[in-house]
Amino acid sequence: KQEVTQIPAALSVPEGENLVLNCSFTDSAIYNLQWFRQDPGKGLTSLLLIQSSQREQTSGRLNASLDKSSGRSTLYIAASQPGDSATYLCAVRPGGAQKLVFGQGTRLTINP
Amino acid sequence: GAVVSQHPSRVICKSGTSVKIECRSLDFQATTMFWYRQFPKQSLMLMATSNEGSKATYEQGVEKDKFLINHASLTLSTLTVTSAHPEDSSFYICSATRTSGGPKNIQYFGAGTRLSVL
Repeated sequence: KQEVTQIPAALSVPEGENLVLNCSFTDSAIYNLQWFRQDPGKGLTSLLLIQSSQREQTSGRLNASLDKSSGRSTLYIAASQPGDSATYLCAVRPGGAQKLVFGQGTRLTINP
Repeated sequence: GAVVSQHPSRVICKSGTSVKIECRSLDFQATTMFWYRQFPKQSLMLMATSNEGSKATYEQGVEKDKFLINHASLTLSTLTVTSAHPEDSSFYICSATRTSGGPKNIQYFGAGTRLSVL
C-alpha cells in the first residue's frame, strides 16, 4: 500500500528566504508525482507535475525534483513571499492506478 | 484550461437529511471523476472513483449506501450524502480527468464543498 509522508508538517520562515519542502513515498512504482497548493478552506491548485521518467520540473520560483528510486521528492521555493503562505500537498499516482495518494501536507507561513 | 466546477461551495444541514454535491467539468469531457474527503488539518482521502455510465468504485471503508455516486454524463458526477450525521461534516473535493483533447493523466480539482451537519 502506497503511503506518502511530508516533512515538516508546518514551517514558518521570514520573507525572502529560500526553502525546501520534503515528500517521501513508500512504493517507487509510481506513474507521476504532483505538488499542489491549498489555501484555507479552498480547493487545490496544481503547481507542478513530474512524470516518473523525469527528474525535475520548474515553474517560476518553484522547482520540484523527483528521485523515484529513493522514494523522495522536494519542492524548492525561491525568494519566498507572504503570498506563498498556504498548505502544500504532495500526491503520487501509483503505477497502474488512476487515483492519487496524498501526503498530509506542509503548512507554510511566510512572515513579512 | 480545464475547469471543474463544484456546487454548492458550502452547505449546512440538519442531521438525518440528505445532501447532494455536484461536480461538473465545464470545458472538457470526463470519463472518470474522483471524490475525496478532507477532515480538518488532514490530507485528502479518496472515497470513490466515478466512471461515466457504470457503478462507482469505492475505497475500502467507504459505505456505498451512505455516499451515493452518480455519473450519468461525461460532464457531471454527483455525490449524495444520505442521512447525514455530524461525523459526516467534512470538506469534499472532486476531480476529473480528460477523455480527450489534452493529457489524460492529470486530475483537475473542483473548489470543494464544506459540509456541516448540525
